[in-house]
Amino acid sequence: NAGVTQTPKFQVLKTGQSMTLQCAQDMNHEYMSWYRQDPGMGLRLIHYSVGAGITDQGEVPNGYNVSRSTTEDFPLRLLSAAPSQTSVYFCASSSRPGQVREKLFFGSGTQLSVL
Amino acid sequence: TQLLEQSPQFLSIQEGENLTVYCNSSSVFSSLQWYRQEPGEGPVLLVTVVTGGEVKKLKRLTFQFGDARKDSSLHITAAQPGDTGLYLCAGVGRRGSNYKLTFGKGTLLTVNP
Repeated sequence: NAGVTQTPKFQVLKTGQSMTLQCAQDMNHEYMSWYRQDPGMGLRLIHYSVGAGITDQGEVPNGYNVSRSTTEDFPLRLLSAAPSQTSVYFCASSSRPGQVREKLFFGSGTQLSVL
Repeated sequence: TQLLEQSPQFLSIQEGENLTVYCNSSSVFSSLQWYRQEPGEGPVLLVTVVTGGEVKKLKRLTFQFGDARKDSSLHITAAQPGDTGLYLCAGVGRRGSNYKLTFGKGTLLTVNP
């Protein structure tokens, strides 16, 4: 059972470089999301999608772009990386978004360092 | 804005000890979730509590939702090294016609053999 798969596991970028964090899920979930996790800050929602072709901003969207062309994939793009984007990034999917018994399935994370 | 405060932030105990971690808010939540996150991995859902006063048990872990649905606690009996990890609470609250998930900052538990 693959669940939610994130790649790469680790990445080092220089300021100004661009990259895409990949996320794929095989559970046929309509809802997918991206979080960043920083020490002392908890998990913060970056962007989310309720289905193919539909995306929306979370609480910390600046500096990140997303698109959702298929149900399975939800890539996160950094167009011009900044040191403030150094963080651990998690992709998550849900079968019951916005419901009282919502259950999020998380990937194993991407640790990103921007120098 | 709905906020969840977790305490303590860090907890280091010896194997066999009991412990309780807390998740508090001034807001009412429709449900409260607890996740455990191990180093290098993503959070994994442990339990969801929905009804005020609800108590759920998962082996040595006991979860309770406050009567007013503003707070929750996680009690671990006879902690083991395998319980080591970051424990996150998350509240499901109303935002317009939808529900929104809000995470606390977590309690980092270390159980020493």
